[in-house]
Amino acid sequence: GENVEQHPSTLSVQEGDSAVIKCTYSDSASNYFPWYKQELGKRPQLIIDIRSNVGEKKDQRIAVTLNKTAKHFSLHITETQPEDSAVYFCAPGDSNYQLIWGAGTKLIIKP
Amino acid sequence: KAGVTQTPRYLIKTRGQQVTLSCSPISGHRSVSWYQQTPGQGLQFLFEYFSETQRNKGNFPGRFSGRQFSNSRSEMNVSTLELGDSALYLCASTLDGANYGYTFGSGTRLTVV
Repeated sequence: GENVEQHPSTLSVQEGDSAVIKCTYSDSASNYFPWYKQELGKRPQLIIDIRSNVGEKKDQRIAVTLNKTAKHFSLHITETQPEDSAVYFCAPGDSNYQLIWGAGTKLIIKP
Repeated sequence: KAGVTQTPRYLIKTRGQQVTLSCSPISGHRSVSWYQQTPGQGLQFLFEYFSETQRNKGNFPGRFSGRQFSNSRSEMNVSTLELGDSALYLCASTLDGANYGYTFGSGTRLTVV
């Protein structure tokens, strides 16, 4: 079955610096690539997603890049702020409408 | 617009009992998915319902079941509860499948004692 790995499992960055989280998947049929953010004690929220016919997508300080050949996609957060502290999940999806979730990356923003 | 509503928020049950959780999706959303979240296992997919039919199912035992009503509201049932069923159960709705982006509910925290 599909195998999804996120790296790193924990990331600590200085406020104002950039953060990058990488997600590697195994299923070549994956065609949908979302990132979800879950703050402590709250529900997961979709923050950005990309489809297989697009290589990059940006939304203000957040961007996602996709490399289908290498089967990985990454979340980029620039100018990090305290409210970016959360657990981030990648969850590549296939044409069967199923997402396979990564184990999560805990992002810590140091003041 | 109203979000995804899950009830109850918290539940304490005894081993061997059964429990029913409820999820009301965003108006117009026909797909409802259920997830189990635990600190050690992350988000585990239980099942997805679309137009009252189970469209996808995860790798959970038959003690976990669900259904969806004509108004898209969904219920999840767990029978013969085990201590390991203690978790946060999240419901998520979309227009038509996960590829449209989930909106999650706040979850039901189930504790089995």
